[in-house]
Amino acid sequence: ETGVTQTPRHLVMGMTNKKSLKCEQHLGHNAMYWYKQSAKKPLELMFVYNFKEQTENNSVPSRFSPECPNSSHLFLHLHTLQPEDSALYLCASSQGSQGWPQHFGDGTRLSIL
Amino acid sequence: GDSVTQMEGPVTLSEEAFLTINCTYTATGYPSLFWYVQYPGEGLQLLLKATKADDKGSNKGFEATYRKETTSFHLEKGSVQVSDSAVYFCARNSGGSNYKLTFGKGTLLTVNP
Repeated sequence: ETGVTQTPRHLVMGMTNKKSLKCEQHLGHNAMYWYKQSAKKPLELMFVYNFKEQTENNSVPSRFSPECPNSSHLFLHLHTLQPEDSALYLCASSQGSQGWPQHFGDGTRLSIL
Repeated sequence: GDSVTQMEGPVTLSEEAFLTINCTYTATGYPSLFWYVQYPGEGLQLLLKATKADDKGSNKGFEATYRKETTSFHLEKGSVQVSDSAVYFCARNSGGSNYKLTFGKGTLLTVNP
């Protein structure tokens, strides 16, 4: 039990499909993050939310659309994805201040056909 | 900008061997430093952290010391176990009120019985 729960764990979709990834944290944190982990590449930060406000968008293509309805929930809406978007998508949360670590979920393994 | 460089893997050791994974960071700001571990099929877990120079983080037999003079945060363990097989990530935050993390590329460790 990590305190950060991601669903689904695995997702296979076609390039024309629309799907959403969900993340929920039970730690009372105020900041939430989406990361992309591809093989043989450093972890890439995609989005940061602090108190439900987006504070970082790391030049992510518009086919990825985040939503943060409250401090405990974070979504990543997907549409018209490309094969190179196949990766492990990790959600994390933190208390936000310097020195406070980020806590990660187990990720959603996404495969684009 | 901020960056983290860690030794490329993979690293293969026998059980009870001594482990060192090197990590250096760019000397911008006053970062906190972290080691995360990722076991197969899981997200990243915080292993240890240090928030200022000369601090030593430790957990589960692993240690790392924040060395400002050499901008390093090397991970060490005196006697590894098969269960330590995982990918290890060094990370720094940006310091100040910005809690964005920058990760190294990760080092795969395999421990053989």
